[in-house]
Amino acid sequence: DAGVIQSPRHEVTEMGQEVTLRCKPISGHDYLFWYRQTMMRGLELLIYFNNNVPIDDSGMPEDRFSAKMPNASFSTLKIQPSEPRDSAVYFCASRRNQGGELFFGEGSRLTVL
Amino acid sequence: AQSVAQPEDQVNVAEGNPLTVKCTYSVSGNPYLFWYVQYPNRGLQFLLKYITGDNLVKGSYGFEAEFNKSQTSFHLKKPSALVSDSALYFCAVRAPYSGAGSYQLTFGKGTKLSVIP
Repeated sequence: DAGVIQSPRHEVTEMGQEVTLRCKPISGHDYLFWYRQTMMRGLELLIYFNNNVPIDDSGMPEDRFSAKMPNASFSTLKIQPSEPRDSAVYFCASRRNQGGELFFGEGSRLTVL
Repeated sequence: AQSVAQPEDQVNVAEGNPLTVKCTYSVSGNPYLFWYVQYPNRGLQFLLKYITGDNLVKGSYGFEAEFNKSQTSFHLKKPSALVSDSALYFCAVRAPYSGAGSYQLTFGKGTKLSVIP
């Protein structure tokens, strides 16, 4: 299996622009998670899905952030408009079942100027 | 609410010496505990987990962790450190399943391990 695939690996954009991050989970995994990692705040859970349905989005920082999972093999995290404080590494992770471990993608490093 | 504490931001150890990375947790019920490792510019990789059974759990790359319920700890250990073990280590905890929406892992802040040649 190819693992969790994220794109782009690096994104540099200007404040106010729309940013879309993409994730392909491991085939057969029912759970998909979006995390954000910064030096100041560590690893934060933004939102997670079970069978393509958003279960908990309480970690999404504000209305500028949105996430979708239109099918079992694809999810997006969108920031519109982006701000410099959104600069971080965004990770997607997936899991097969209740007790299983998370498998992380390589991350998308976002820099908002 | 569940939480994880990794009291040391950084741990330095000489190559060949034993290493310990500390983790304590707080959760309702019997915990699901995990250790992950992150190398520079990479995603987190699973090392080991404790769900039930033997308190000493063995994982990847020669790492092991000991679950101590009375001390609410889950320290990561390795008998002989390698320079290649230098990385960021994360402890994580989750409460047992209690219904839809209860699968959130809470991560610690991470501990940077430096193994000195």
